[in-house]
Amino acid sequence: QKEVEQNSGPLSVPEGAIASLNCTYSDRGSQSFFWYRQYSGKSPELIMSIYSNGDKEDGRFTAQLNKASQYVSLLIRDSQPSDSATYLCAVRTSYDKVIFGPGTSLSVIP
Amino acid sequence: ETGVTQTPRHLVMGMTNKKSLKCEQHLGHNAMYWYKQSAKKPLELMFVYSLEERVENNSVPSRFSPECPNSSHLFLHLHTLQPEDSALYLCASSQDEGAANYGYTFGSGTRLTVV
Repeated sequence: QKEVEQNSGPLSVPEGAIASLNCTYSDRGSQSFFWYRQYSGKSPELIMSIYSNGDKEDGRFTAQLNKASQYVSLLIRDSQPSDSATYLCAVRTSYDKVIFGPGTSLSVIP
Repeated sequence: ETGVTQTPRHLVMGMTNKKSLKCEQHLGHNAMYWYKQSAKKPLELMFVYSLEERVENNSVPSRFSPECPNSSHLFLHLHTLQPEDSALYLCASSQDEGAANYGYTFGSGTRLTVV
């Protein structure tokens, strides 16, 4: 079982819709969870971090964490073409390693 | 403009060449990292430095040699690379090793092509 899994996509949503990105992880003791956005040809940029069960909102972004289900998600409301990028999920495991998922490619269609 | 600067942005080198990648962070962070990003694969951690001490070498071949002369600078020395080493090499820094709840700041990366 891979340590951090994401659907590779591409995920296509129309402009203005909600984009939902999902991530599962295998280490039940993981404590910190991150979402990075990576535009084509650019480096990853941290957009959200979450470490408690529940929702965390920042502008149009909402991160959701469910440790019992080992599941973390990122919702993007009112999606814009500028949100088109690859979204990387990263998990800090119980053995103090940060593991990245393979990323989900998001395309927002005008 | 990122607080982590990498040079060069692009590098083409032959299999017998020796080259170095440079990373500088202006954030006052205590930990620095080298990551490799290949097409269709997750980010792969290569090396971790905390307060200038190497704390992790993630089974990286010896043809990659890191150097951290101080907490602001990190180098990756390359020699006798293979074509499969062609990738985007990313430097990152964090407040502390393991990134805690603060995550990483990445540099813009060096796109390496081995011919």
